[in-house]
Amino acid sequence: QSVLTQPPSASGTPGQRVTISCSGSSSNIGSNAVNWYQQLPGTAPKLLIYSNNQRPSGVPDRFSGSKSGTTASLAISGLQSEDEADYYCAAWDDSLNGVLFGGGTKLTVL
Amino acid sequence: QITLKESGPTLVKPTQTLTLTCTFSGFSLTTSGVGVGWIRQPPGKALEWLTLIYWDGDKRYSPSLKSRLTITGDTSKNLVVLTMSNMDPLDTATYYCARTNDMGATRPFDYWGHGTLVTVSS
Repeated sequence: QSVLTQPPSASGTPGQRVTISCSGSSSNIGSNAVNWYQQLPGTAPKLLIYSNNQRPSGVPDRFSGSKSGTTASLAISGLQSEDEADYYCAAWDDSLNGVLFGGGTKLTVL
Repeated sequence: QITLKESGPTLVKPTQTLTLTCTFSGFSLTTSGVGVGWIRQPPGKALEWLTLIYWDGDKRYSPSLKSRLTITGDTSKNLVVLTMSNMDPLDTATYYCARTNDMGATRPFDYWGHGTLVTVSS
């Protein structure tokens, strides 16, 4: 069971804005930056957001991240069919001295 | 261009030791801030971090698997090797290697290999 808690599923229609949450604790999200990964069906994960709210080169600005206390969020605006994927949050955990991944959220574009 | 590629057996028997190799190009494991890690994903399940080796030789392991894991790096050959002992059918998963790099206040996995599916079965 992941220590970073994500909703197992989320959905939206094209053009909508969707938010995915990631809840942790003081030893991980509360004291370290959060990264988000997108995993399209049958492919390897791809870095989507780093340092809570930074986008790597090439990631559309429709994707944004935020963090408050021990909870992080990923927002996708102007939802597109190609956004249908699994999304994972991750953060370093000071107690475990390692990386924690969330349980993942499967995004469906209706 | 940065690439990583996992290689190793696709099928191992229970109790055997798994050895996977990550061969990379486009970066050096001697560059400050750089590391290579292993992450696995059982079929239909979430990602699970296993281990990391950093440019300075520092190694980190998942506490739940630490007794079974070993990570080593060969900077001259640009490869990182993962060994996992006493394999069990529950270890069946796609195993990914990925680069980690200093990016602001964090070290995300910014480049990933395609992954290799390892099945544990007698």
